[in-house]
Amino acid sequence: QKEVEQDPGPLSVPEGAIVSLNCTYSNSAFQYFMWYRQYSRKGPELLMYTYSSGNKEDGRFTAQVDKSSKYISLFIRDSQPSDSATYLCAMRVSSGSARQLTFGSGTQLTVLP
Amino acid sequence: EAGVTQFPSHSVIEKGQTVTLRCDPISGHDNLYWYRRVMGKEIKFLLHFVKESKQDESGMPNNRFLAERTGGTYSTLKVQPAELEDSGVYFCASSRNRGQIQETQYFGPGTRLLVL
Repeated sequence: QKEVEQDPGPLSVPEGAIVSLNCTYSNSAFQYFMWYRQYSRKGPELLMYTYSSGNKEDGRFTAQVDKSSKYISLFIRDSQPSDSATYLCAMRVSSGSARQLTFGSGTQLTVLP
Repeated sequence: EAGVTQFPSHSVIEKGQTVTLRCDPISGHDNLYWYRRVMGKEIKFLLHFVKESKQDESGMPNNRFLAERTGGTYSTLKVQPAELEDSGVYFCASSRNRGQIQETQYFGPGTRLLVL
């Protein structure tokens, strides 16, 4: 079983739609949660970073973490064609020197104009 | 501030050959990470340097992979000899040492390796 499961998509929505991207995880040691956006032929770019349960908002993006259910989400409001990319959830443990990120497999999103 | 750079952007080699990938982290970033994404799979951790020291190399798949970071600046990842299953995209990331809560890893564009 993978440590992080992510809905693979692909996901196609009309411009202006609300998008919901989700990941579940099995390792309760994960304490830091991230969403990265990756455009084609580029490296992952950090979108959101959170370490507590609840919601964190940044512009049109809201990251939600539910540690009791081991479930994280990213919501995109008023989606734009420029949001078309692959979205990766990533997480890591809090203790010791282990700093590596564990990624989901990514969800490919297309926002249609 | 210049981002993480990687060279080459693409490499096509034959099975059994050697390939060396290079990563230049963001200036001042002590932490340097190598990750890999093979076809159809998720991005996976390979190893972590703090300055010139290997902090964690638990993700290195086997002894055909050798990573170095002489002088604590740029890093190289050598694959020798390359096998078909080594094909994929190799990402480098770097971060400052600001404590665990505040650490953000910045990724390079990746090197696409194809072993024929």
